[in-house]
Amino acid sequence: QKEVEQNSGPLSVPEGAIASLNCTYSDRGSQSFFWYRQYSGKSPELIMSIYSNGDKEDGRFTAQLNKASQYVSLLIRDSQPSDSATYLCAGYNNDMRFGAGTRLTVKP
Amino acid sequence: GAVVSQHPSRVICKSGTSVKIECRSLDFQATTMFWYRQFPKQSLMLMATSNEGSKATYEQGVEKDKFLINHASLTLSTLTVTSAHPEDSSFYICSAWTGTFNYGYTFGSGTRLTVV
Repeated sequence: QKEVEQNSGPLSVPEGAIASLNCTYSDRGSQSFFWYRQYSGKSPELIMSIYSNGDKEDGRFTAQLNKASQYVSLLIRDSQPSDSATYLCAGYNNDMRFGAGTRLTVKP
Repeated sequence: GAVVSQHPSRVICKSGTSVKIECRSLDFQATTMFWYRQFPKQSLMLMATSNEGSKATYEQGVEKDKFLINHASLTLSTLTVTSAHPEDSSFYICSAWTGTFNYGYTFGSGTRLTVV
């Protein structure tokens, strides 16, 4: 069983819609979680981090963490074509474990 | 803050030659850096963990004599691909733990290696 699992997608949403990206993790000792965005041919860049149960909002992005269910999600409101990328979920417990990524396409 | 600079961004080399990739933490000290390889449309694959002043720890299946890692200072780690072959062509990315849960790992911009 992979430590961090993501639906590989591709996930396709129309422009302006809400994109929902999901992630589950197996290590209950994970202290913090991260969402990275990776454009094709580029390195990952941090979008958000979350380490407390509940929601954390930053602009159009909302991260949600449910430690009891070992579940992390990222919501992207008002999706734009420029949001089309691969989104990596990661959990940290002394080292970082990455999911395989979910490819998101936002269609104009 | 927490910027990692990686050079070169692209390199083309002949089969059998060696290539060095540098990764520098610009505004923080990175006692540990990580080296990843990524093939097209595949996920990040951790190759090795680089610790300042000590030997790198390699993941299973990664040849340490082929991928030489040196972490001589708190701000510089290098990856040398020795005797490169076309199958080593890939996207190599370094990263470092920023020391905070807010920022996690920060990544270099990556190096696209093409071996011809």
